[in-house]
Order: sequence, then C-alpha cells, then structure tokens
Amino acid sequence: QVRLKESGPRLVQPSQTLSVTCTVSGFSVTSYHVSWVRQPPGKGLEWVGAIWKGGSTDYNSALKSRLSISRDTSKNQVFLKMNSLQTDDTGTYYCAKLGSSFDYWGQGVMVTVSS
Amino acid sequence: DVVMTQTPVSLPVSLGGQASISCRSSQSLVHSNGNTYLHWYLQKPGQSPQLLIYRVSNRFSGVPDRFSGSGSGTDFTLKISRVEPEDLGDYYCLQSTHFPWTFGGGTKLELK
Repeated sequence: QVRLKESGPRLVQPSQTLSVTCTVSGFSVTSYHVSWVRQPPGKGLEWVGAIWKGGSTDYNSALKSRLSISRDTSKNQVFLKMNSLQTDDTGTYYCAKLGSSFDYWGQGVMVTVSS
Repeated sequence: DVVMTQTPVSLPVSLGGQASISCRSSQSLVHSNGNTYLHWYLQKPGQSPQLLIYRVSNRFSGVPDRFSGSGSGTDFTLKISRVEPEDLGDYYCLQSTHFPWTFGGGTKLELK
C-alpha cells in the first residue's frame, strides 16, 4: 500500500529555515520520483520541486534560490529545506509520488511563518 | 512560465447533472516526445488533492467513468456526468510538459 507522510514544524519564524520530511512506504524512492507541492490557506496549488529516482532534482524557478530537496534512500525519506522564510510561505506542504502524474499524496503539513 | 487558466472559477451544479470545466494553457502542452502532460485533480474539503485524469484523457485507477477528459494543444476540458455528492470540491488542472510545472487556479464545484 502506497503511503506518504509529511512531518515538520508547524510554526517557523520569519527569515528562518523550514525543514519537512516525507516518509514513504509501499514504494522505493529509488524507483519512483517524489515531488513537493504547497498550498497557501484558501488558495491554489503551487509546484515546489521534485527529486528524480536517480537522485537529481528540479526546482520551481521562483523558489530555486531558497530551496533544497534531498533524500535518504536507506530510510525511504525525502527532505525539503527552504530558507529565508517569509509570511507568504505559510501554507500546507504536500509530498506526492510521481507515477502517471502526482498519483499518491501525503496528508500535508500546515506550516505557519510568524514571529 | 506556462499560465494555466481555468474556467469557471465557481460552478453550481445539481446532483445528477453534468459539469464541464475548461483549462487553457498559454502555450502548447505537447512535449517533444509527442505526449501531452495535462492532468486533472479533485481536492475535497479538508483533504489532499487526488488524481482523476492523467495525460489528457486517462482515468486513474478507481476513478468512475463519469469523469472524462479531452482536449489537445492548449485547450482542455474535464466533464463530469451524473454529478454525485462526493464530486463536490475544488478541481485543478496541472501541466507537467514545461518547467516549472504549473496548476490552474481551480474551479469550485458546488451545489446549485
């Protein structure tokens, strides 16, 4: 059974770094790509970036300078790190398996950027 | 970036009726490999998005045949026939032909 679960802090201070972990089961991160998508409260979806099954990455150009996606294949985990957070980075961060498209999603983690 | 324009923003429907959502892209979504990477998602209230249709017209596993996707180039449509209560929510199109991948702004399907 494919599962993805995000974990991370619910509250981050402005200018600090966000670290979110996506723990997957039911598939290997070396066999399928994994992507991150975020959603501000009450708004639409934004693609953040992806880590391909071979380990390379692609990022949304709007976020690229602040973003890093990596993984630990031994733990089947994917990591999102975003620095210099601002209040408009507040939202739910989802990880999703890339098969036909984003075919399986985690439940998301709601992150608030506030002092 | 490719801009994805979804219409309408809000779509009131009656149960048992039909709904149609349009998604237009600012440039062709035909990839150099010949595939068109346009997908549709439904996000029910309080839930994560779920995949309905991938690559224009392919229903994902378990998606009822009441959902159908069509289109080509820059113009795509999602049709829902015989709308049921569990179909209500926000619908999004996504293009993954060009980086950065971009979503439409969303269409809220609600009861009339």
